[in-house]
Amino acid sequence: NAGVTQTPKFRVLKTGQSMTLLCAQDMNHEYMYWYRQDPGMGLRLIHYSVGEGTTAKGEVPDGYNVSRLKKQNFLLGLESAAPSQTSVYFCASSLRVAGELFFGEGSRLTVL
Amino acid sequence: AQKVTQAQTEISVVEKEDVTLDCVYETRDTTYYLFWYKQPPSGELVFLIRRNSFDEQNEISGRYSWNFQKSTSSFNFTITASQVVDSAVYFCALSSVANDYKLSFGAGTTVTVRA
Repeated sequence: NAGVTQTPKFRVLKTGQSMTLLCAQDMNHEYMYWYRQDPGMGLRLIHYSVGEGTTAKGEVPDGYNVSRLKKQNFLLGLESAAPSQTSVYFCASSLRVAGELFFGEGSRLTVL
Repeated sequence: AQKVTQAQTEISVVEKEDVTLDCVYETRDTTYYLFWYKQPPSGELVFLIRRNSFDEQNEISGRYSWNFQKSTSSFNFTITASQVVDSAVYFCALSSVANDYKLSFGAGTTVTVRA
């Protein structure tokens, strides 16, 4: 029972490089989310999806793009990484609107 | 707009003491949901409770209890007889209609329980 799986778990990038974080869930959830966690700021929503083929902006979307081509996968892309994007990224999914979120283990990204 | 404030940044207690975590929220909606999540040192986020705005009953789950008071826009969390395993960061969160039910988190309260 995997739940929500994020890959990679750790990554170090140089400024300007691009990368994609993959989130996969096996619970058939409609809703998926990407958050970033920074010290003293809680979790902030980057982008989210309410179903396959849909995406929407969250609180801090600049510098990120997302895609939800398959219901079980939600990809977060950084086209040109910046040091300000150094953070821990969490993917989450939920079965229903305003429902309990199931989180992945997090992906620690460092941009030098 | 919606907002969650956890004024306590860090709390340190000795094992077996009770600890209460404050959460104050802001929303214009009458329909909303409040949550608490726990993040232990291992880093994962664990769901603790979900409460809707129409249910003001307090809830108890083992050593955990929650006090929801709409009059003061608060949803406080108490750990009774704390244990070392309770050491974690605790997040309060809010979801409301006006924000398309997106979940907004407070900054978190770090609880350290010393043996």
